[in-house]
Amino acid sequence: GENVEQHPSTLSVQEGDSAVIKCTYSDSASNYFPWYKQELGKRPQLIIDIRSNVGEKKDQRIAVTLNKTAKHFSLHITETQPEDSAVYFCADPYSGNTPLVFGKGTRLSVIA
Amino acid sequence: KAGVTQTPRYLIKTRGQQVTLSCSPISGHRSVSWYQQTPGQGLQFLFEYFSETQRNKGNFPGRFSGRQFSNSRSEMNVSTLELGDSALYLCASSLANDRAYEQYFGPGTRLTVT
Repeated sequence: GENVEQHPSTLSVQEGDSAVIKCTYSDSASNYFPWYKQELGKRPQLIIDIRSNVGEKKDQRIAVTLNKTAKHFSLHITETQPEDSAVYFCADPYSGNTPLVFGKGTRLSVIA
Repeated sequence: KAGVTQTPRYLIKTRGQQVTLSCSPISGHRSVSWYQQTPGQGLQFLFEYFSETQRNKGNFPGRFSGRQFSNSRSEMNVSTLELGDSALYLCASSLANDRAYEQYFGPGTRLTVT
């Protein structure tokens, strides 16, 4: 759980296009994978999460997919809108005795 | 339910001083974690408390300390402040000691060290 790599660090898309952010984790015991959104000047808030017993979860325009074999999970945002512009963080919380670790964040800019 | 609250929201201190930040979790939440957020480093884990016990500590110097009270409220203290301690300090509460639960963040305390 100490290594969570998040890519890309910045992402610009045209309004209406899709955005994909990927995180890679190292702890095979991890079983819960959340994504947080932080708008400018605001606190991070959970937008979607997935547990290891499913491969995909959708909530309207956002979805998270999980590949346990490759140890990565991805956030997908379809039909992006300007209000999707924010920093998105993945996290690997199930780390035994090691600290909770967030990815470095991805700054998404949706250009109208 | 009221959300996570943090006080103060803004703080300006000078180098060498110490500071205490406070976090009140959501009612019923017993887990409180603290994070330092800076533009270049993202969200860095400071400590995690559950039922007044520190469960984990991040890679920060001993100048950073914390505690949790019996009502789950938590404080963090930074002594001998350095310019590099300027950051947004976020706390987050969670329902259980199992980390597979949503973290609810407070609004943060923005600390500026001059």
